[in-house]
Amino acid sequence: DTGVSQDPRHKITKRGQNVTFRCDPISEHNRLYWYRQTLGQGPEFLTYFQNEAQLEKSRLLSDRFSAERPKGSFSTLEIQRTEQGDSAMYLCASSFTIPSNEQFFGPGTRLTVL
Amino acid sequence: AQKVTQAQTEISVVEKEDVTLDCVYETRDTTYYLFWYKQPPSGELVFLIRRNSFDEQNEISGRYSWNFQKSTSSFNFTITASQVVDSAVYFCALSEAPDNYGQNFVFGPGTRLSVLP
Repeated sequence: DTGVSQDPRHKITKRGQNVTFRCDPISEHNRLYWYRQTLGQGPEFLTYFQNEAQLEKSRLLSDRFSAERPKGSFSTLEIQRTEQGDSAMYLCASSFTIPSNEQFFGPGTRLTVL
Repeated sequence: AQKVTQAQTEISVVEKEDVTLDCVYETRDTTYYLFWYKQPPSGELVFLIRRNSFDEQNEISGRYSWNFQKSTSSFNFTITASQVVDSAVYFCALSEAPDNYGQNFVFGPGTRLSVLP
């Protein structure tokens, strides 16, 4: 399978704990995006990388959130001191650089903060 | 700032009926891209179609067709002879490309389509 993969698929944690999610994009894609999707809503942009450079962050990305893409391949999204409001589906997508190119999405990581 | 509106929250149709999903967008850019994605119950977003702002030619692909009208800032999606497997949430999205490194990608709130047997 050469699609976008995400790990884990589900994560349950207690409030205050740190969590980390991983995304492996399609190998030829140099752009990688993170989104958050809550129930009944469309995906909300969080941040994106062009190769290893983080080029844009949404104001939704508070200082408890950090994302990395150390070698321009896989990416991690870490949430520190989780809050119940962080419960959501976290989606990763990848694409080629050209803005017209569609993004291909992974299956998502569903986070539940108790 | 860009915005995508999908006024229909939920639509229910009976199998074999035609259904149109509406999408209205706002942007200040003259160059932009519009997309439709499908999110079935399994959860993974599936790309359906892309249109750029310079191409208003409508497209038909099998049972799917798209109507892009810049004059009304609309990019509507029609499923002909709907099937139960079309049941999903459909998202319209807008991408602005101010330069080679900046890109804003905004999704609408989605329309949940239920096709009943």
